[in-house]
Amino acid sequence: KNEVEQSPQNLTAQEGEFITINCSYSVGISALHWLQQHPGGGIVSLFMLSSGKKKHGRLIATINIQEKHSSLHITASHPRDSAVYICAVCSLGGSNYKLTFGKGTLLTVNP
Amino acid sequence: NAGVTQTPKFRILKIGQSMTLQCTQDMNHNYMYWYRQDPGMGLKLIYYSVGAGITDKGEVPNGYNVSRSTTEDFPLRLELAAPSQTSVYFCASSYSMGWGENSPLHFGNGTRLTVT
Repeated sequence: KNEVEQSPQNLTAQEGEFITINCSYSVGISALHWLQQHPGGGIVSLFMLSSGKKKHGRLIATINIQEKHSSLHITASHPRDSAVYICAVCSLGGSNYKLTFGKGTLLTVNP
Repeated sequence: NAGVTQTPKFRILKIGQSMTLQCTQDMNHNYMYWYRQDPGMGLKLIYYSVGAGITDKGEVPNGYNVSRSTTEDFPLRLELAAPSQTSVYFCASSYSMGWGENSPLHFGNGTRLTVT
């Protein structure tokens, strides 16, 4: 069974700090998602990647397929970045519908 | 575009009652999904659909039913509510099935259900 582990579970930062959230998984994958869940509950897709690195604004996602690890970075963090960040992976060779989700990382950015 | 719309936002049910969670999307996506999110746990897939008239079970389907009569709508039915079904439910859709980089998931805002 593919396990997805996120670290840290909780993260508190001061505005302006550089943030890193990690995601490790145990089996081969075809794609990895990073999602953001706002305090109000809505979920937004941030990135989907299968290799390398992607950047959108202040957010950067990287993945190392050999090491089975992905990171989400936030540069110049802001209180509006406060949310739960969720990693999800799609296993190689499995059904396309068997996404495995991590439990999320709660980020709080203080002004 | 409204995206994915879920109703209701909140609901309290008594044990044994039934209800339907509504989900509609206006993006003409073929692929739709129902997830539940329990405290401290990752999202779990309940049911999914690859197009009108086609549905299949996900990881945790017991106690639920779905239908997909149109591309837009994918309601989730709870027939005999149980306390174990207390959760937050999310509907989602995607353009393609392959979880490829051009097929992100679009989520609704969730339904918080309490069964007492």
